This record gives sequence, structure tokens and C-alpha cells, in this order.
Amino acid sequence: NAGVMQNPRHLVRRRGQEARLRCSPMKGHSHVYWYRQLPEEGLKFMVYLQKENIIDESGMPKERFSAEFPKEGPSILRIQQVVRGDSAAYFCASSPRYLAGGELFFGEGSRLTVL
Amino acid sequence: GQSLEQPSEVTAVEGAIVQINCTYQTSGFYGLSWYQQHDGGAPTFLSYNALDGLEETGRFSSFLSRSDSYGYLLLQELQMKDSASYFCAVREVSWSSASKIIFGSGTRLSIRP
Repeated sequence: NAGVMQNPRHLVRRRGQEARLRCSPMKGHSHVYWYRQLPEEGLKFMVYLQKENIIDESGMPKERFSAEFPKEGPSILRIQQVVRGDSAAYFCASSPRYLAGGELFFGEGSRLTVL
Repeated sequence: GQSLEQPSEVTAVEGAIVQINCTYQTSGFYGLSWYQQHDGGAPTFLSYNALDGLEETGRFSSFLSRSDSYGYLLLQELQMKDSASYFCAVREVSWSSASKIIFGSGTRLSIRP
């Protein structure tokens, strides 16, 4: 009965490199959300996806960031040409098709450190 | 725009009761959720209110007043393990009818023996 799986748990990149964060939702969940959390701060919404479809990307920076949720495989959050300000914890959450009860199921997060 | 306001820190004594308030401003509103997050951990769901009133789940209760755009989380019989950050979150309806969840900045609860 696996929950939301994120990998890698920790990722170190040098400035200018690319970071790819993966998220496999809970079984039976077709909606995925990505959030960013800086130390001692809240969860900032980035993007909301369904299979093969971006529903809302209003929280995602227009440049360098992209997300996808293909028909097969995990959701990917991709950060190109990383900068130090991208260092944060990135959480993925999933929900069933209909967000009943407002409950999101979170993964353990991917902690990105940019040197 | 959308905004959620909650106190940044609260301190309480073990065995006591504490209330964490949340006010929100959003263009479309479905309901208010509460999440708990321990240091280094993942947020976990505590409660959800779509209608006015009090919802009770064990030692935790959550309240919503839609007319006041206000809610609170009430924690009773505090235990040391309740030391964590607590986030209120609104389920927001967008133009596309898809709903996303927006989080407040969190309240760090510290429990003293």
C-alpha cells in the first residue's frame, strides 16, 4: 500500500546544472501537485497536473521550470540552469480524481541543494 | 489575489489547550483544511471543513465560519509530540473549475513540559 513516492530524497547540483525530481502518486490517484518549501516557511503552490495535462501552473516560474505527468510513469519537475535560490524542499502530493474532503497525500519531499 | 494569515509561533504547556487561528482571502472557496508537519517530515492531513461549524477528530477539532473567512484548529490535552508546524490551507476554485489547495505560512507550535 505504497504512498506517494518521491526521488531523489536529496539532490546536490552546481549552479547551471539541471535538476529532475520525480513523483509517483498513490495508486488510484490521477492528480499531482508540486509545492516548494523554503526553510522555516510555508508550502508554495507551483503546479497542478493530471495525466498528460497541466491544469494550473500559476505558481511556477515562467523560466527554467517545467513539469509533466505523462500517461505512463511518474510526474517530473524539471529545473534547468539551477541557481542558489532554487535550494529548497520540493514536495509532491496526490489526490483522487475528485478532491473530496480537501485531503492531499504528500511524499517525503526532495531536498535540492545548489552549490 | 489569495492570502491566508496565521500566527507564526505559538507556545503552550503540555496537557493544555491551544487554538491556532487562520483568516483567508480568496476568490473562490470550497473549504479549509489543516495539516501538520514535523521538522524534516512531510505534511499530513488533519481535518477539512467545507461547512460552518466544528469538526472533531479525537484531540483535534477544527472550526470554520465562511461569513467571517475565518477558521481555527483546536488542540486539546497537548502532548510533546504535538510540537510541529500547523498549516491552514484553502481549497480554491479557479476559472477552469479545477480546484487546487493553497497553504498559509504555518504556525510553529512549541510545547513546554
